[in-house]
Amino acid sequence: GESVGLHLPTLSVQEGDNSIINCAYSNSASDYFIWYKQESGKGPQFIIDIRSNMDKRQGQRVTVLLNKTVKHLSLQIAATQPGDSAVYFCAENNYGQNFVFGPGTRLSVLP
Amino acid sequence: KAGVTQTPRYLIKTRGQQVTLSCSPISGHRSVSWYQQTPGQGLQFLFEYFSETQRNKGNFPGRFSGRQFSNSRSEMNVSTLELGDSALYLCASSPRTDQTEAFFGQGTRLTVV
Repeated sequence: GESVGLHLPTLSVQEGDNSIINCAYSNSASDYFIWYKQESGKGPQFIIDIRSNMDKRQGQRVTVLLNKTVKHLSLQIAATQPGDSAVYFCAENNYGQNFVFGPGTRLSVLP
Repeated sequence: KAGVTQTPRYLIKTRGQQVTLSCSPISGHRSVSWYQQTPGQGLQFLFEYFSETQRNKGNFPGRFSGRQFSNSRSEMNVSTLELGDSALYLCASSPRTDQTEAFFGQGTRLTVV
């Protein structure tokens, strides 16, 4: 079946450094991806999305890269701040079907 | 613009009871999806509604059901609750059937005792 997986369950970075969170997906037909951030006790917060006809998209301090050849997605956070500490999920969607979520990566920002 | 609103935020129920959770989508959003989040299984898709019609359903037993009203508000119901139904139930809304720009609510934390 479809699956979306993350390579690293936990990631610790120093404040001010850049963070890279990776995601592998298995459904080559997926055409839309979203990165979500979830803080404790809250629902997932939309960070950035990308369609399969793009390989890069930038937001405020965040960049998503999509490599369809190897079915890999990454989220880059520039100048990581304490407020970035959370669990990050990637989600894939296939032409408006339900999202399939990865297990999540916990990002810890060290002072 | 108000976000996705889920009520109640917390619920404690006894095994065998039933429960109804509510989700009000972002104004103008007609697609509402429900997900179950547990530490062991992560985020799993329950069902999705668009214009009062269930378009897609995940692999959950028939005890889990839902509906959507003409104002796009949605409810999900779980009957004959089991301990394993304890989870955070999340609702997401999107303006389009292609599920782009899907935003989540804060969730309803259900505890079954």
